[in-house]
Amino acid sequence: GENVEQHPSTLSVQEGDSAVIKCTYSDSASNYFPWYKQELGKRPQLIIDIRSNVGEKKDQRIAVTLNKTAKHFSLHITETQPEDSAVYFCAASRSANNDMRFGAGTRLTVKP
Amino acid sequence: NAGVTQTPKFQVLKTGQSMTLQCAQDMNHNSMYWYRQDPGMGLRLIYYSASEGTTDKGEVPNGYNVSRLNKREFSLRLESAAPSQTSVYFCASSVGRSNEKLFFGSGTQLSVL
Repeated sequence: GENVEQHPSTLSVQEGDSAVIKCTYSDSASNYFPWYKQELGKRPQLIIDIRSNVGEKKDQRIAVTLNKTAKHFSLHITETQPEDSAVYFCAASRSANNDMRFGAGTRLTVKP
Repeated sequence: NAGVTQTPKFQVLKTGQSMTLQCAQDMNHNSMYWYRQDPGMGLRLIYYSASEGTTDKGEVPNGYNVSRLNKREFSLRLESAAPSQTSVYFCASSVGRSNEKLFFGSGTQLSVL
């Protein structure tokens, strides 16, 4: 089955700086890669997703890049704000396959 | 429009006790899922239902059973709780028959003593 590794496990940045979280996956047939944000004590929420036919996707301050050859994808947050502080999870799966695997999570702290 | 609703929010069980976690969604989604979240391990899929009347095992199904009661409701049952089942449980749903764009419930914190 798919195996997803996520790094780093914790990340601390100053407000206004950029943050990058990286994930690698093992199944070359995986073609759907979402990112979820989970604030303390809250439910995970989808913030952005990308399919394997696209190399990059942006949504305001958030972007995701995908390198299919190397089997890794990354989340980029620019101009970080204190409200970006949360745990971020990456995941990977094949389309129409319900066996999506999540990374272990990255705790991002943005210091004001 | 409440989205995905889970009950209860907190539960403490003794080893060997049974309980059912309830989940309902009002978004007319086809697929529903049960995940458990443990520190340092992300979210792991227990069971899922891609459509009303079907259920399938996920990554960690042992010790659990599920019922897709109708399109709205998907319950998770622990027949004989074990300390290893102490976790936070999340129900989720998605509009299609795959796990894309999941909507999560608010979670159930379960402790088994």
